[in-house]
Amino acid sequence: EAGVTQFPSHSVIEKGQTVTLRCDPISGHDNLYWYRRVMGKEIKFLLHFVKESKQDESGMPNNRFLAERTGGTYSTLKVQPAELEDSGVYFCASSQGRLTGGWRKETQYFGPGTRLLVL
Amino acid sequence: AQSVTQLDSQVPVFEEAPVELRCNYSSSVSVYLFWYVQYPNQGLQLLLKYLSGSTLVESINGFEAEFNKSQTSFHLRKPSVHISDTAEYFCAVSPVPGGGNKLTFGTGTQLKVEL
Repeated sequence: EAGVTQFPSHSVIEKGQTVTLRCDPISGHDNLYWYRRVMGKEIKFLLHFVKESKQDESGMPNNRFLAERTGGTYSTLKVQPAELEDSGVYFCASSQGRLTGGWRKETQYFGPGTRLLVL
Repeated sequence: AQSVTQLDSQVPVFEEAPVELRCNYSSSVSVYLFWYVQYPNQGLQLLLKYLSGSTLVESINGFEAEFNKSQTSFHLRKPSVHISDTAEYFCAVSPVPGGGNKLTFGTGTQLKVEL
């Protein structure tokens, strides 16, 4: 079974440019999460999809970040325009749980991350 | 809201020595606890988790962690480390069902095993 994949593995862009990160979750996983780690700091939650719906986007830094998950499969995270402080490692994770009046505590499987550097 | 503290950013240890990586958390609600490991150039992998039941949980590669509710801790231990254990270790919590599954992480502890 293929794990969570992320593309690209690295991206170097200039301030003001646009970058789009992609995440392919494990097949059949309804839950998809985005996290970010800024250099030397903790990994922080950005948002959570259940299928194609945004369940929680409380961690999104500002409106320069746009996440989509059309069709409930892969997800994209677009940063437009990128700023210096957006540099970091962006992780995607997926889990299988279903909404049944409460949350099942499923293991989140992480991808290798995309290393973004904004110059 | 939850927070996780990993006081040790780096832990050097000699091979075959014991190691303890500390993790303390703060939360106004009950939480589940996790340790994730990131080997060089790889993604995060779940090492072990505490959901309920026995407060001592073990991984398949010899690590164990004990949930201590009174001290709000979930320290990770291994009695004898190997070179291959060199990695970054992250402690994380998530609220018991009702608060979603999002994980709150600590800042990570870099374990460096030396010969």
